[in-house]
Amino acid sequence: QKEVEQNSGPLSVPEGAIASLNCTYSDRGSQSFFWYRQYSGKSPELIMSIYSNGDKEDGRFTAQLNKASQYVSLLIRDSQPSDSATYLCAVNGGYSTLTFGKGTMLLVSP
Amino acid sequence: DAMVIQNPRYQVTQFGKPVTLSCSQTLNHNVMYWYQQKSSQAPKLLFHYYDKDFNNEADTPDNFQSRRPNTSFCFLDIRSPGLGDAAMYLCATSRDSGTGGHEQFFGPGTRLTVL
Repeated sequence: QKEVEQNSGPLSVPEGAIASLNCTYSDRGSQSFFWYRQYSGKSPELIMSIYSNGDKEDGRFTAQLNKASQYVSLLIRDSQPSDSATYLCAVNGGYSTLTFGKGTMLLVSP
Repeated sequence: DAMVIQNPRYQVTQFGKPVTLSCSQTLNHNVMYWYQQKSSQAPKLLFHYYDKDFNNEADTPDNFQSRRPNTSFCFLDIRSPGLGDAAMYLCATSRDSGTGGHEQFFGPGTRLTVL
């Protein structure tokens, strides 16, 4: 059974701070890793994808992948109240499907 | 803009009354997915179509069926909805070229209420 684990939160950070979201996965053969943002009552929106070890930066977002530790993280710099949402980690193991974590709720206070 | 469209956005049905949810896409993606998501839970994959090939998840109840008449459209049929089927139903698409990736793009979802 492939598993993706995330702390459910909520993770509370003040506006302007760095938010750090973490995810671990069980399938060592996983190849592709994704972060989705989901606002309450809305559908998931893809914000980052990462395929190789190291960091990948896109604007205020940085995804970090460590396959040896089976760990992927998302950093959000200069957090804004509009970043308040649930962040879903998703992992692909070589087929066409993704395994999702339950998500971490992020709350950014003004 | 290329997108994934779901209709209706909100669906209310009665216990046991069949319901059909629809999904269309203009992304020309070859893979289409149906997920069920309940509050504070991860999206749960029900089925996916890889081109015309139908793939059913082992734990998807028989009450759920799907059709993909062409590349652009996919339907989810719930034959006899129960109270436990109330959820957000999400359609997603991806382009699988066989070289990895598998980024999935979601439609806005259909919120199903069962009375």
